[in-house]
Amino acid sequence: EIVLTQSPGTLSLSPGERATVSCRASQSVSSSFLAWYQQKPGQAPRLLIYGASSRATGIPDRFSGSGSGTDFTLSISRLEPEDSAVYYCQQYGSSPLYTFGQGTKLEI
Amino acid sequence: QVQLQESGPGLVKPSQTLSLTCTVSGGSINSATYYWSWIRQPAGKGLEWIGRIYASGSTNYNPSLKSRVTISVDTSKNQFSLRLSSVTAADTAVYYCARVVTAISFDYWGQGTLVTVSS
Repeated sequence: EIVLTQSPGTLSLSPGERATVSCRASQSVSSSFLAWYQQKPGQAPRLLIYGASSRATGIPDRFSGSGSGTDFTLSISRLEPEDSAVYYCQQYGSSPLYTFGQGTKLEI
Repeated sequence: QVQLQESGPGLVKPSQTLSLTCTVSGGSINSATYYWSWIRQPAGKGLEWIGRIYASGSTNYNPSLKSRVTISVDTSKNQFSLRLSSVTAADTAVYYCARVVTAISFDYWGQGTLVTVSS
């Protein structure tokens, strides 16, 4: 099983700043198979990034993803209060087919 | 706009079977492009993938739950369903249904339904 470890656990930043969330995999993951989600309280997760760096439909360009192999990053520039949420990375391809990181809470 | 909606009992007794249905609207479950999946989230915790199904009925399950899970599809009703047997308190969670795009990521989600296992 590929374990995804996110850091930090909690991130507290101010509006206008830049957030960086790390996702480290226990084994190499194809960049095509790495996604990021945003989850606000009481809501379902929302797909932000797929293929490690491609934004999903309707996602602002303040959100960007990068990385390869075992190290991936989600960056959010020009933070807004509405960006407060928990962010998850997710991989596809290794049994179990889909696994998620434990989440990073972003407080603005 | 594709929409998914979970339905089913919110309370299940220990040792019984949890049954949920996901109704898909705004798109056909028969599309060759997508899988359909169940994911759960215990309160205050992370996301756990349960399993997925293709319109043909082909399934894949999380090995940790495989012995207790059955996912089925009813293309005539544009629905897919989850059955989880022999439930315990550890199965208490919000259960989400979701569409899987290009087999890789989850692009549309239901709002989620809380299922509590308690006597």
